[in-house]
Amino acid sequence: DAKTTQPDSMESTEGETVHLPCSHATISGNEYIYWYRQVPLQGPEYVTHGLQQNTTNSMAFLAIASDRKSSTLILTHVSLRDAAVYHCILRVDAGTGSKLSFGKGAKLTVSP
Amino acid sequence: NAGVIQTPRHKVTGKGQEATLWCEPISGHSAVFWYRQTIVQGLEFLTYFRNQAPIDDSGMPKERFSAQMPNQSHSTLKIQSTQPQDSAVYLCASSPDWGWEQYFGPGTRLTVL
Repeated sequence: DAKTTQPDSMESTEGETVHLPCSHATISGNEYIYWYRQVPLQGPEYVTHGLQQNTTNSMAFLAIASDRKSSTLILTHVSLRDAAVYHCILRVDAGTGSKLSFGKGAKLTVSP
Repeated sequence: NAGVIQTPRHKVTGKGQEATLWCEPISGHSAVFWYRQTIVQGLEFLTYFRNQAPIDDSGMPKERFSAQMPNQSHSTLKIQSTQPQDSAVYLCASSPDWGWEQYFGPGTRLTVL
């Protein structure tokens, strides 16, 4: 799977909208963009995923560049519960056979 | 829905001892994954079952690690002759058939002294 690049950390304040960038310049046409997040002492939590079109769910909005070389996870009205390490990863197969692998991710700090 | 259950949450073993970790996937999920996570290596895939059958164990250290899934309701990861480098958080995840996301348990923190 192709590599992704994220900032090490980002800061925000409760109620703000946060834009978490991810660069994946070597993404292949069949690779999906996935976002997971993780808080200390818990396992990772699925946030969202997309292939080409922007997607939205109850947790976040995923904006995917037209050339698919970058994406941005947008969190609106963040709360303290959104503080976590966010991982942007690429997967070839969206089915159950596809294993996950991610590194340090981007640590989001939310202040009151 | 209790989510993925992992026991124990913490385990301390001496070097050379055996450790068995347990995972109960979400009822109805057909796929079970095992990972381990460290600060240095991040999240590493170990092995994967689908409908209880082993599908991919490419991440398993060959000599001392083994995993089983004897029935739909639980899977075990066994580490023989544990070494200090095995210290990590071991995560189990389950996924519904052709599901997009994997649901993770809280993990078992293994410390090998």
